[in-house]
Amino acid sequence: SQQGEEDPQALSIQEGENATMNCSYKTSINNLQWYRQNSGRGLVHLILIRSNEREKHSGRLRVTLDTSKKSSSLLITASRAADTASYFCVTWGYQKVTFGIGTKLQVIP
Amino acid sequence: SQTIHQWPATLVQPVGSPLSLECTVEGTSNPNLYWYRQAAGRGLQLLFYSVGIGQISSEVPQNLSASRPQDRQFILSSKKLLLSDSGFYLCAWSYRGEGELFFGEGSRLTVL
Repeated sequence: SQQGEEDPQALSIQEGENATMNCSYKTSINNLQWYRQNSGRGLVHLILIRSNEREKHSGRLRVTLDTSKKSSSLLITASRAADTASYFCVTWGYQKVTFGIGTKLQVIP
Repeated sequence: SQTIHQWPATLVQPVGSPLSLECTVEGTSNPNLYWYRQAAGRGLQLLFYSVGIGQISSEVPQNLSASRPQDRQFILSSKKLLLSDSGFYLCAWSYRGEGELFFGEGSRLTVL
């Protein structure tokens, strides 16, 4: 299965702190993506990192990828209450994406 | 630009009633289309995906079905709903089964 598995399943931090979420996957990939889901809403694409990249930044987001360990991490710096959401890492199988259960992040004001 | 529309946003249905959820994509052609279901507090379960008109792949055997009557239209149906069909249903599309997935806003189904 290409399913990504996020860790931890839940994370609670104070506003202003950094949040780190980890993801492991099982097979070789072309790219890995992270998505955010606010409660009761659709998912929003955050960032894509290709298999030949080791690190990528987008605003307050920093993603790393270690293909030798089949793992990725998402760092959100200077967290805000609006970052409260579930975060998912995903990889593509043939024509489809399967999701893990995600990391539920709560940022306390 | 591309957009995805999904409706209805919420519905409450009695057990045994039929279901039809509709999803349409604008601004692109020949997208891959997906239906996911999310139970409360859980991850997303892939139900169906389609790579072209009339081509449906089912991931989970159940009393739901999907159809793609037009290139940018994807319909999720059931003839008789079960309590276990309750959940949050999400439609999504991608270009050629790679890259970014674009999601609709979801349809929340409660079966009573």
